[in-house]
Amino acid sequence: AQSVTQLDSQVPVFEEAPVELRCNYSSSVSVYLFWYVQYPNQGLQLLLKYLSGSTLVKGINGFEAEFNKSQTSFHLRKPSVHISDTAEYFCAVSDPGDYKLSFGAGTTVTVRA
Amino acid sequence: DGGITQSPKYLFRKEGQNVTLSCEQNLNHDAMYWYRQDPGQGLRLIYYSQIVNDFQKGDIAEGYSVSREKKESFPLTVTSAQKNPTAFYLCASGLGDANTGELFFGEGSRLTVL
Repeated sequence: AQSVTQLDSQVPVFEEAPVELRCNYSSSVSVYLFWYVQYPNQGLQLLLKYLSGSTLVKGINGFEAEFNKSQTSFHLRKPSVHISDTAEYFCAVSDPGDYKLSFGAGTTVTVRA
Repeated sequence: DGGITQSPKYLFRKEGQNVTLSCEQNLNHDAMYWYRQDPGQGLRLIYYSQIVNDFQKGDIAEGYSVSREKKESFPLTVTSAQKNPTAFYLCASGLGDANTGELFFGEGSRLTVL
């Protein structure tokens, strides 16, 4: 089974500043990669996913992520954050044929005015 | 609208009581999952089911039980054997073997033991 490491547990950021959330996973020949967002007391919502093809993936709410196979990373970025982006973000990975997701511990993003 | 419905959203339990959390989906997904979420620990898999009348233990199944009598339903029972049941519980569904791993989540149920 895959393991996922989210390198930052908390990321404070000012409104309209850029943000990057880092995610690394254990090595595999091929993987599927996901970023989910969770607002307080709610379930998880899919932000974006990498299945194959272009290594730059665009998602909802202006987020994007880049798959780097050599570094086994899938970092999430947004060029300009809003107060409404305050939430917890989870990176997740699965191996093809294994329908179980492995989740990172999460990164809490707090956007300040 | 299609989705996953969890109930209740908030639940309080006295020590020694069993409680059952409901999860219903109308996405026609084969696979269903229960996760437990604690602060700073991400999501941990409790049980999952790929098909009706079949389910497997996840990473932290002790003190929990499930059933899968219908495709749409996957209730979770938190038994008195679960030593630290206070947590946020998330139900999810997916396409199972045909899946890329992508999951669709309910809104969660927060269980507090008094």
